[in-house]
Amino acid sequence: GAGVSQSPSNKVTEKGKDVELRCDPISGHTALYWYRQRLGQGLEFLIYFQGNSAPDKSGLPSDRFSAERTGESVSTLTIQRTQQEDSAVYLCASSLGPGQGWGGYTFGSGTRLTVV
Amino acid sequence: GIQVEQSPPDLILQEGANSTLRCNFSDSVNNLQWFHQNPWGQLINLFYIPSGTKQNGRLSATTVATERYSLLYISSSQTTDSGVYFCAVPPYSGAGSYQLTFGKGTKLSVIP
Repeated sequence: GAGVSQSPSNKVTEKGKDVELRCDPISGHTALYWYRQRLGQGLEFLIYFQGNSAPDKSGLPSDRFSAERTGESVSTLTIQRTQQEDSAVYLCASSLGPGQGWGGYTFGSGTRLTVV
Repeated sequence: GIQVEQSPPDLILQEGANSTLRCNFSDSVNNLQWFHQNPWGQLINLFYIPSGTKQNGRLSATTVATERYSLLYISSSQTTDSGVYFCAVPPYSGAGSYQLTFGKGTKLSVIP
């Protein structure tokens, strides 16, 4: 697509429920990134996918968080047994990858997650 | 890992004024980006600037990689420039260019 698309734009969930967030990157972008931004804070790296390579999961805060990406297409971020501290905006970005000239991130509009 | 410090943390400008935002980083980098997050939360890529100077309209950026800093200049500020400006670099020296660590940002408010 023309831009990075994230869905849903807003999600309210009860504590303890699982949630799934979706990111559709720009067509042709082999790299995809998830970040978390708590209210009034900076961006916290979660996970990075590059093509078919093993993802860099070093930023995932706990084993309740997982993410998948099939090839160079859509990615889903899953949070199990949500806690109130998971409330944040979850941002996805994509970019060209190694050998493609990079050029910088393009961010989606984010998913605002509220755990009540 | 590389530490990123942005200054000032907050800045209030009268419309039409000029400003300079600074980003210091603790180690050599091969990648640096400036982003603007508008009041509605959208993050916009302003510059990919690992070294040198670039200009885009009223905005320009300079990175002096050997001295480990980058500057973002905003001239003739407008109310639409309000928001948070983030600097981002790779998380550690030698890291691939494709993962970024963000500073805490400079919150800019331009008043009419």
